[in-house]
Amino acid sequence: QVQLVQSGAEVKKPGSSVKVSCKASGGTFSSYAISWVRQAPGQGLEWMGGIIPIFGTANYAQKFQGRVTITADESTSTAYMELSSLRSEDTAVYYCARGRSFHCTGGVCYGTPFDYWGQGTLVTVSS
Amino acid sequence: DIQMTQSPSSLSASVGDRVTITCQASQDISNYLNWYQQKPGKAPKLLIYDASNLETGVPSRFSGSGSGTDFTFTISSLQPEDIATYYCQQYDNLPETFGQGTKVEIK
Repeated sequence: QVQLVQSGAEVKKPGSSVKVSCKASGGTFSSYAISWVRQAPGQGLEWMGGIIPIFGTANYAQKFQGRVTITADESTSTAYMELSSLRSEDTAVYYCARGRSFHCTGGVCYGTPFDYWGQGTLVTVSS
Repeated sequence: DIQMTQSPSSLSASVGDRVTITCQASQDISNYLNWYQQKPGKAPKLLIYDASNLETGVPSRFSGSGSGTDFTFTISSLQPEDIATYYCQQYDNLPETFGQGTKVEIK
């Protein structure tokens, strides 16, 4: 049974950074993609970016380019999402999700659909 | 970015009713569309992938159809446990984008 277990809630000051982890078990970590999706309070879902560990490269939504870094450690089956220059609008629940298959277009591959999700990590940005 | 427009944003229906949600893409996305269910305080759950394929273990009262720009998600007979918010998601191009969600309630 595949499980994605995320790190715990964080409270951060504006301008600081946060790093959230997502440890996978029950599957072959390198064979799938991991995406990060966030949800602000009372709002919808927003894809931030993703990584395919076997390829090693990450893709990011332009909105977060330069502020977000997604990495994966195959030795521990753990993916990470680091978001910098935090502001109050970044207060949200951050989810990791496994992309079961790869979709490739224009030379870029990414994971879909998201068949397993982490439990979510609440990041609160407040002074 | 491809914009996904869901309608309605919320609906109220009786147990046993047929419920339909539509999702319109701002450009042709072929069948590159998934549907998710999210209950309060929980992570989303995959229901339908590639527009019309039922995820393993998902009840057959859920279905999806469509291609190009117009898609439909249907619950054939609404059950109390179906109370949730439903999202469509396109993956034709990055960034993968979601509709704004449809909140389904029991009348």
